[in-house]
Formats: sequence, structure tokens, C-alpha cells
Amino acid sequence: DQQVKQNSPSLSVQEGRISILNCDYTNSMFDYFLWYKKYPAEGPTFLISISSIKDKNEDGRFTVFLNKSAKHLSLHIVPSQPGDSAVYFCAASGSNDMRFGAGTRLTVKP
Amino acid sequence: DGGITQSPKYLFRKEGQNVTLSCEQNLNHDAMYWYRQDPGQGLRLIYYSQIVNDFQKGDIAEGYSVSREKKESFPLTVTSAQKNPTAFYLCASSITGTGHMEQYFGPGTRLTVT
Repeated sequence: DQQVKQNSPSLSVQEGRISILNCDYTNSMFDYFLWYKKYPAEGPTFLISISSIKDKNEDGRFTVFLNKSAKHLSLHIVPSQPGDSAVYFCAASGSNDMRFGAGTRLTVKP
Repeated sequence: DGGITQSPKYLFRKEGQNVTLSCEQNLNHDAMYWYRQDPGQGLRLIYYSQIVNDFQKGDIAEGYSVSREKKESFPLTVTSAQKNPTAFYLCASSITGTGHMEQYFGPGTRLTVT
């Protein structure tokens, strides 16, 4: 039962352009959402989060948007850099658990 | 230098053998977690512990066991009962186990059972 879905397994963008990674969830009890970045053979590292009381959160080049009615969140990276190439996981949590999507592999081409 | 360490990075075992994966944190976090990652799948929760001497089963606990005797340590044993043990195992911790907290991950252990 996949409660958090990332339907695009991969995404390729040109350096300097915008990367948009998408995530959908099914459980309306989720109220805190996170994005993690993972390089090969390493553990994921926290990138950015958003609470359900907000619809947008920015941190430098990274912005997360939340659409509660659609149960959809997205991560925008502007401008994309080759060092952003990694697997990005979205995660959703309720009161005491966290569920992860399958990840989207982002490749930023120079 | 605070963080989470997992050892070893790569582990090979014969089928039918139990194997224990180490996870240590010096972040003074109360909660610790074990996840399993398989190709094309998200991180799936095996076990979690919100406090010392207490732990709960996650979604895929069958064939695994854990202990939490110290705040810093949360070892995972993959038993011979686990049908598909070959995977990448990740340990994580968070300040508390409320769910509204970012989790900090270790570098992972890749277990191969043949």
C-alpha cells in the first residue's frame, strides 16, 4: 500500500533550467512533508520541509509547494546545477510515522 | 562531529546465517529507525524505537529483530527467517519520535546474502 508516490522514476534537465519533482500522497492524516536528497552509496540527507498549514516554503534555490486539496507536493530547484544530480525522495508524516516515496533520479546536464 | 554511523558498509553472508548490522548515533536523539531500500521502491520501515528499552514493528518486521539497550545504539539482526535479505539497509534517528521531525540517516549497509 503505497501511501506516497513519486510517479516519475527519472528526470533530466539542462543546467540553469528549472527542475520540478512531483509527489502525491493518499493519506489525509499526513500533515508534515519533507524532501530528502540521496547520492549513491550514501544515506539520504534532509533538504526541505513544509507543514500542512503552509502552501509554500523556500530555502535558497529550493522551493516546496503543497496542494492539500490535490494531495500533491512538488519540489522546484532553480537554477539547477550539475551537483543537484541525485535521487530525491519525498516523505510524508502524521503523528508518529513517516512514509517515503520510491524516489526520482534527477540528472542535471552541463 | 555528530552523526550516525553504520558498519560495515558492505556485508556478505551465506543463506541461513543470522547477521547483525550496527547503528550508532551521537546526536542524543531519542528515536531511531531501520529502513530497507530495494530498487524502485521507497524506504520501507522495519523497526523503530522512540525510547531506550522500547521498540515497535514497522511495515516489514518479519525476519528481523532489534534491541535498544542504549540510547546511542540500535542494532538490527537479519535472521535466517527473512526470505529476501539482500538489500540496502539504512538507519536513521530523530530528536523525538513524533513524526514531525526530520530524520538523520546513516550511510547505509549493503547486505548481500547468497
